[in-house]
Amino acid sequence: KAGVTQTPRYLIKTRGQQVTLSCSPISGHRSVSWYQQTPGQGLQFLFEYFSETQRNKGNFPGRFSGRQFSNSRSEMNVSTLELGDSALYLCASSLRQVRQETQYFGPGTRLLVL
Amino acid sequence: DQQVKQNSPSLSVQEGRISILNCDYTNSMFDYFLWYKKYPAEGPTFLISISSIKDKNEDGRFTVFLNKSAKHLSLHIVPSQPGDSAVYFCAASLMGGGSNYKLTFGKGTLLTVNP
Repeated sequence: KAGVTQTPRYLIKTRGQQVTLSCSPISGHRSVSWYQQTPGQGLQFLFEYFSETQRNKGNFPGRFSGRQFSNSRSEMNVSTLELGDSALYLCASSLRQVRQETQYFGPGTRLLVL
Repeated sequence: DQQVKQNSPSLSVQEGRISILNCDYTNSMFDYFLWYKKYPAEGPTFLISISSIKDKNEDGRFTVFLNKSAKHLSLHIVPSQPGDSAVYFCAASLMGGGSNYKLTFGKGTLLTVNP
């Protein structure tokens, strides 16, 4: 079974631009979560989508948004990029069928904002 | 407020010996704990998990111990191998799922296994 895939793997943008990242979950997984990893803050939860609905949101500004499609694929959008948005953006998927579940991560998208 | 803490940023052990990575948490509502291993420029890879109703879970060379009264868990790797060298993250999730369905991570411990 293929794992979680993320595209693109690397991105370079300039301040003020916007960016869209894509995530395809493991086949059959309906939950997709997004995390941001930075050297200072570690891995931080952005939001989770299940059945095309945002179920949970972390403490990030409204510039960070996402959506999920009927095939469970998800996109994350960051508008008006700031230098501090440079990070590794990770997507994780799970079945979300039982209360205690393991999330499986993709390889991430490395975003550099200049 | 950091709810999951890994107080050792790094750990160095000899090949064949035991590696013990520690993790403390503050939120008593966490009921599921996971360990992930991460290489640079890759996503975290799931290693092992433990439910709060257990105090030990084993999978090959990896064993996780949970001490709920101390709000402490540890990952034991025996024997350690050079390929185990990576950053290890401890993560926890809240009971109830629903809108609480997310992982809270520690800052990670860099394990170096020397040949």
